[in-house]
Parts: sequence; C-alpha cells; structure tokens
Amino acid sequence: DVQMTQSPSYLAASPGESVSISCKASKSISNNLAWYQEKPGKANKLLIHSGSTLQSGTPSRFSGSGSGTDFTLTIRSLEFEDFAVYYCQQYNEYPWTFGGGTKLELK
Amino acid sequence: QVQLKETGPGLVQPTQTLSITCTVSGFSLTSYYMQWVRQTPGKGLEWMGFIRSGGSTEYNSEFKSRLSISRDTSKNQVFLKMNSLKTEDTGVYYCARSDYGYNPFDYWGQGVMVTVSS
Repeated sequence: DVQMTQSPSYLAASPGESVSISCKASKSISNNLAWYQEKPGKANKLLIHSGSTLQSGTPSRFSGSGSGTDFTLTIRSLEFEDFAVYYCQQYNEYPWTFGGGTKLELK
Repeated sequence: QVQLKETGPGLVQPTQTLSITCTVSGFSLTSYYMQWVRQTPGKGLEWMGFIRSGGSTEYNSEFKSRLSISRDTSKNQVFLKMNSLKTEDTGVYYCARSDYGYNPFDYWGQGVMVTVSS
C-alpha cells in the first residue's frame, strides 16, 4: 500500500498568516493527490484534486503543488474559517490511502 | 443539491455484524461511484471499498473477507455490512461520492459514529 505521511501533525497560526502542509507518498502517485478539510459537525470538503487543481468553490487563498511523491498545501492569508484539520489522499492505486492529518489551530 | 447521510446502529457488540445505510439525494447512484471510508483512533482514515455506478464492487483487502457493499437504486441507498466486528472497528463511518474509480471524493456524508462494545 502507498503510505502517505503528512507533516506537521499540528500547526498553530494567526489569521492573516500563511501556512504550508506537507504530504509525502511512499512511491510515486503522479498527481493523483487530493486535499480535504475536516470540521466538526460538517461533511469533509474536497479542496484540491490532481495535486493542484482547486475544486469549484475553494477560495483562491488555497493552493496545492507537487507531483510524484512530494506535495504541499498552502493557505495564504488565513481566515478564521480555515482553522480545521486537513488530510491528503492518494487515488493513484488501490487501496486509496490517506495522510494522518494536520490540525491547524488558532495561535 | 447533493446530500449524503449515513444512518447506523450506534452500538454494536463484538463478533456481531455492522449495517450502515447511506441515503443520497441530488444525484443518481447509476452515475457515480459510492465509497465507504472509516476513521478510527488507531488507524485514522481508511478507505474500505466502493460500489461502481454499474453495481460492481471493489474492496480494500484489509476488509475484503468481512465487508459487503450493496445498493438499492430505487431508494437512493447504499449499504455497508461488515461482520465479525472487533473493538478496533470503533470509529466514524462515512460514505462519499466520486465520479469514477480513479477520482477524489467530491461529496461526503457527515459520518455515523459506531462503537463496538459489549
């Protein structure tokens, strides 16, 4: 199985700051990488797919980059609504696998 | 609008069978793949399997021997059944939608908490 390693596990930041989350795959997954946002009481939201393509409705302050094994989610000018947990997921080969998550907390 | 909602028993005894229903609206099950994902304290998010728009299934080998996914298109429902439950199966179970197999999950349900305990 493809192991997905996210870092950091926790990240504290303030509104207006920019943050980056890393996701590394144990083997090449091309650009078949998605980022999701998890908030309490809400359905998980697809933010980015194909490594860098914003899903419809995702604010432009979110961006994704990378291909192969190394990927990054960047959020510029954090807003209060962005404090959540973020997951990466590979859909290049079965079984689909997820990263362990990054909790973005308010500093 | 697209909606997915999981319903399940809440509490299941060890060795028993878990049954969860995902009821969808706003789209047709014959046009999309329906995925099942769970989140447990021990392993985080795990993809369990899916049912294709055509009705065939694919399972994560981790669960293959005890998992079954089916659907009733007339009721817009997808079903997960998993037998021989263990305490480690405690977690939140989600259904999600994807365009087809090699695609991300564009809509998720809010999940249903399942506790395996005697």
